[in-house]
Amino acid sequence: AQTVTQSQPEMSVQEAETVTLSCTYDTSENNYYLFWYKQPPSRQMILVIRQEAYKQQNATENRFSVNFQKAAKSFSLKISDSQLGDTAMYFCAFMKHGSSGAGSYQLTFGKGTKLSVIP
Amino acid sequence: DVKVTQSSRYLVKRTGEKVFLECVQDMDHENMFWYRQDPGLGLRLIYFSYDVKMKEKGDIPEGYSVSREKKERFSLILESASTNQTSMYLCASSLGRGGGRGYTFGSGTRLTVV
Repeated sequence: AQTVTQSQPEMSVQEAETVTLSCTYDTSENNYYLFWYKQPPSRQMILVIRQEAYKQQNATENRFSVNFQKAAKSFSLKISDSQLGDTAMYFCAFMKHGSSGAGSYQLTFGKGTKLSVIP
Repeated sequence: DVKVTQSSRYLVKRTGEKVFLECVQDMDHENMFWYRQDPGLGLRLIYFSYDVKMKEKGDIPEGYSVSREKKERFSLILESASTNQTSMYLCASSLGRGGGRGYTFGSGTRLTVV
């Protein structure tokens, strides 16, 4: 079974600054996907960024980027130029790759990091 | 814009009641999921379905059942609600196998059992 660990229950950052959220995972799989989801106070969970494990290049989406270290099983999220709208719960998640069994479709989530952006 | 719609934003039910939480998606997704979200515990998978009439237990299925009679609709049923089922319930869907695109989530249902 896979596990996902987010070691920072809460963090805060000043507006316009950069913050990094940590995520580690444990798996014996070689091919998988990793995701960061954002859940603002309005509660709708939205996808921020995704990474395919077989791709060495770190994913980037505008102000959001990841540092994917496959050997270390680490997948951190960096938010640059933080904005008030970035205030949210952030969840790291893991999914196996491939179609071998129904379990391939499941996302395993970490417990989340509550990020507050301070004006 | 693709959507996953949960029928209720807030629900208050009494202990012992049978409770239905409904979820509908308009994206023709094969896979649908029910999670519950509790502070400090993150999201835990209750049940999921990868096809009509198919269902699989997740990590915490006890006290719950599901129904998927049509591709677009996935219902979560609390057979006899208890206070420890007070929680936020999130429905999600995803396309096909492998899941590389991740999930699309609904807005959640806050259920309180009194």
